[in-house]
Amino acid sequence: AAGVIQSPRHLIKEKRETATLKCYPIPRHDTVYWYQQGPGQDPQFLISFYEKMQSDKGSIPDRFSAQQFSDYHSELNMSSLELGDSALYFCASSLYLAGGYTGELFFGEGSRLTVL
Amino acid sequence: KQEVTQIPAALSVPEGENLVLNCSFTDSAIYNLQWFRQDPGKGLTSLLLIQSSQREQTSGRLNASLDKSSGRSTLYIAASQPGDSATYLCDLRVNQFYFGTGTSLTVIP
Repeated sequence: AAGVIQSPRHLIKEKRETATLKCYPIPRHDTVYWYQQGPGQDPQFLISFYEKMQSDKGSIPDRFSAQQFSDYHSELNMSSLELGDSALYFCASSLYLAGGYTGELFFGEGSRLTVL
Repeated sequence: KQEVTQIPAALSVPEGENLVLNCSFTDSAIYNLQWFRQDPGKGLTSLLLIQSSQREQTSGRLNASLDKSSGRSTLYIAASQPGDSATYLCDLRVNQFYFGTGTSLTVIP
């Protein structure tokens, strides 16, 4: 079965540069979530999108922005990179369920960003 | 802000033992709770999802329960195997998502 695809898997950038991460959700999933996991930390929720609209917002820095496109893939744009942005960035997708329920989250393998 | 705590932080058991992992949370108004496992440097693999209206879910050797009134979920692993060694995380959905602090499990052959 198709899973969540993230690219690139590894990315090395210098301080103050810009990086873009891409996420392709499981087919027919309409909701995408971004998480950041620092070394030895649990994943921190950044932001989510449902039907191309931002649905929830977590601890996403102002230097970061994200969007979901018409084909439901999502991109996380990170500018003015700092050393502390070095982390594993996960994307997850789910199917929205009616009645206030949320579907099961499926995670990608992550994109490892290293800022030098 | 939702506080999510997992106890114990680390657990080492001999193969074949049954074990229980705990997840405690402070705000009972959750939409759902999901258990994941994470292998070192890897992504998160979904184990079980419990909607807020449900009390438990089972999949193979795994059973997860949810008690919103006491702010607690447990993951029961029966007949543990070395392949179960990983970090186990609970994730709560309120108006956003909150991961627990994780339990690092080692199953000794």
